[in-house]
Amino acid sequence: RKEVEQDPGPFNVPEGATVAFNCTYSNSASQSFFWYRQDCRKEPKLLMSVYSSGNEDGRFTAQLNRASQYISLLIRDSKLSDSATYLCVVNRSGGYNKLIFGAGTRLAVHP
Amino acid sequence: DTGVSQNPRHKITKRGQNVTFRCDPISEHNRLYWYRQTLGQGPEFLTYFQNEAQLEKSRLLSDRFSAERPKGSFSTLEIQRTEQGDSAMYLCASSSGTSAGELFFGEGSRLTVL
Repeated sequence: RKEVEQDPGPFNVPEGATVAFNCTYSNSASQSFFWYRQDCRKEPKLLMSVYSSGNEDGRFTAQLNRASQYISLLIRDSKLSDSATYLCVVNRSGGYNKLIFGAGTRLAVHP
Repeated sequence: DTGVSQNPRHKITKRGQNVTFRCDPISEHNRLYWYRQTLGQGPEFLTYFQNEAQLEKSRLLSDRFSAERPKGSFSTLEIQRTEQGDSAMYLCASSSGTSAGELFFGEGSRLTVL
């Protein structure tokens, strides 16, 4: 079993749709949590951190449930430019950024 | 451009040959990481440097793989006696001690082993 599991998708949604991605992690000692975005043939980039209290950045909302070891990302009012792969990421180390990535969920937003 | 720089961007080699990749991190970052990514998968952690010290190596890093960061600046990743299973994108990333969770990745070096 992989340490970080995600639904691979693809999610094909029309512009304006709301889409939710889910992720589970197996190591209860994981320290911190993130969503990264990776465009086709590009490097991953940090999208947002994820906190237990939930956090929002514009159209993006991330949530963490430590008890269930579950992370989510909600995208509202999808744009064509949101098309990408969304990587769920956990930081296993408290001392440095040893990031463990999920396989990613691919999103395709169409007109 | 002051981002993470990797070269070569593409390398095609025959099985059994040695290859070396170079990474130049963001200049003020003391932490450097190597990851490997194959099609349809997320990046997999290979190794981590803090300054010139290699502090962690993944079990994925067989004895054919060696990484160095001799002066705490640029890093090299060498693969000896390449195998077809080594074909992947090799990503380098850097971070400062304060950037919690944020790694700055280079565009990667794509290796194809024939």
